[in-house]
Amino acid sequence: DAEITQSPRHKITETGRQVTLACHQTWNHNNMFWYRQDLGHGLRLIHYSYGVQDTNKGEVSDGYSVSRSNTEDLPLTLESAASSQTSVYFCASSPGLKTYEQYFGPGTRLTVT
Amino acid sequence: QQPVQSPQAVILREGEDAVINCSSSKALYSVHWYRQKHGEAPVFLMILLKGGEQKGHEKISASFNEKKQQSSLYLTASQLSYSGTYFCGTERRGTSYGKLTFGQGTILTVHP
Repeated sequence: DAEITQSPRHKITETGRQVTLACHQTWNHNNMFWYRQDLGHGLRLIHYSYGVQDTNKGEVSDGYSVSRSNTEDLPLTLESAASSQTSVYFCASSPGLKTYEQYFGPGTRLTVT
Repeated sequence: QQPVQSPQAVILREGEDAVINCSSSKALYSVHWYRQKHGEAPVFLMILLKGGEQKGHEKISASFNEKKQQSSLYLTASQLSYSGTYFCGTERRGTSYGKLTFGQGTILTVHP
């Protein structure tokens, strides 16, 4: 069955380290999104992509980067992890060239110490 | 700007009904509704688009008032499985498609 996966599911890292969170989907969806979820803030968009070589900033993109080299993957990199980036990170994907439902991955819980 | 959801929390007995509201100060193209259970990923429930088109699960109903930029999710004859946090995600007119801004969530608890 087609799915969307994230790895690792849990990660503890130190301030200043570079961290990469993986997102992989097998639906062949064009669109992929990264969100962070914090208590009191709901889900906030970090970056999104409409296809290979396309990336766009969301509302909370500072300190994060993404790259899209194929349809299936959109890795999220924290260039220099900060304690404020401790959060649960969700990847999502959706098909097509307009508004469709988004399918979310299981999430990665990141703790920056 | 984040849409505002109300109420923040609601407690029901099985079989009771509930309405969750989502309000935005911006002109909207669509409103999305998701449900998230504790420790799990959000799950799609419904999309309502400008012009009246809707896509979603058969047992879920919702409305979208385009003039007021408000949406409501109607949960009827609630079941224990309806418990969770409900989020609305709004897509502003004139912005990139799929770019959602989510509300802070409404916690729904259904008791036997």
